[in-house]
Amino acid sequence: GAVVSQHPSWVICKSGTSVKIECRSLDFQATTMFWYRQFPKQSLMLMATSNEGSKATYEQGVEKDKFLINHASLTLSTLTVTSAHPEDSSFYICSATRIRQENNSPLHFGNGTRLTVT
Amino acid sequence: SQKIEQNSEALNIQEGKTATLTCNYTNYSPAYLQWYRQDPGRGPVFLLLIRENEKEKRKERLKVTFDTTLKQSLFHITASQPADSATYLCALDGQLNTGFQKLVFGTGTRLLVSP
Repeated sequence: GAVVSQHPSWVICKSGTSVKIECRSLDFQATTMFWYRQFPKQSLMLMATSNEGSKATYEQGVEKDKFLINHASLTLSTLTVTSAHPEDSSFYICSATRIRQENNSPLHFGNGTRLTVT
Repeated sequence: SQKIEQNSEALNIQEGKTATLTCNYTNYSPAYLQWYRQDPGRGPVFLLLIRENEKEKRKERLKVTFDTTLKQSLFHITASQPADSATYLCALDGQLNTGFQKLVFGTGTRLLVSP
């Protein structure tokens, strides 16, 4: 159980275009989803916390107008990278939790999306 | 400043030996610590969680220790196998963010188990 599906697994886009990444919880309802970014040989950096039906909470330094997050249902959250630039090239990973997360619940991660902006 | 440090150099060991990975943290007071495995191009997979009042936790060939005085966790894989080769991440709870946990990750240590 606790499968999180992320799509696409990789995408190449031109500078200035927008890219949408989907994160789905396949066998459970996720009230909370988290979006991370990971640069090569670096740790996962939390970008935002997404709660179903409400606005996402962004971490300091993450531009909310550039990284649009929509958590429209209990099984789907999307991250849209708007007007992408080469510096946005990274590995984006989502994770989901079953319930309003207790302080020690493990995270269930998707397999990530490799974004390359040319 | 707050830091979570894992050895950035890869750990190379022979099959059958015990691998020991270290996670040190500074300026955190975590209630728990988690370990994840990450394969190249994939998302992390949860392995073990240990709470601050637990000294040791085991799961099959895995063992985790948590020393809140030293601010350190050790992750052991006994009887290691080539299939254990991956990057291992430690993560702990940073400050609560709007009531939800905020996991903060280390950079991970890559383990290579040779046959």
